[in-house]
Amino acid sequence: KNQVEQSPQSLIILEGKNCTLQCNYTVSPFSNLRWYKQDTGRGPVSLTIMTFSENTKSNGRYTATLDADTKQSSLHITASQLSDSASYICVVSFTSGGSYIPTFGRGTSLIVHP
Amino acid sequence: NAGVTQTPKFQVLKTGQSMTLQCAQDMNHNSMYWYRQDPGMGLRLIYYSASEGTTDKGEVPNGYNVSRLNKREFSLRLESAAPSQTSVYFCASRSWTSTYEQYFGPGTRLTVT
Repeated sequence: KNQVEQSPQSLIILEGKNCTLQCNYTVSPFSNLRWYKQDTGRGPVSLTIMTFSENTKSNGRYTATLDADTKQSSLHITASQLSDSASYICVVSFTSGGSYIPTFGRGTSLIVHP
Repeated sequence: NAGVTQTPKFQVLKTGQSMTLQCAQDMNHNSMYWYRQDPGMGLRLIYYSASEGTTDKGEVPNGYNVSRLNKREFSLRLESAAPSQTSVYFCASRSWTSTYEQYFGPGTRLTVT
């Protein structure tokens, strides 16, 4: 069964500190991996997208890595800000019959304290 | 561009009532999706429409029906609401030419009593 596991489930850090979120998946055949940020009460917004051949992608203070051999990804947040408080969701997609099927992780809830 | 819009934002239903959640996108995207999000769970795919005129079941389709009315609109219908359908519902769309990115609406918070 295709699964996406994220860790930790929740994380509290101080403003200005760095943190790393983890994502392990068993989705096959792999198409792409995305990290989303979801603020409370809003829909998810894409941060990064990586395909099989990419092993790192940055978006400002967010850097995602992908190891397709071990089926692991990480999202590193540098110099955290209060506005980074949100849920971060890892999404891994496979293709089936020409359609594109995403599988969502449960998310990591990040709280940044001043 | 409004992106993906959903109506209503909030809804309270009694068990057994029916309702339709509306979703529209103005980005000329081919594919559209309906998800539900429950506390402690990841988003789960209910139904999707790869292109206008086609719909397919996702992971949790029971109790729901969908209609891809045209390229812009994709509606989700609950024929006989149950308390287990209390959730936040998100609609999303995707272009075949984009780098796999989905764009999400703001969500509909549904409570069934």
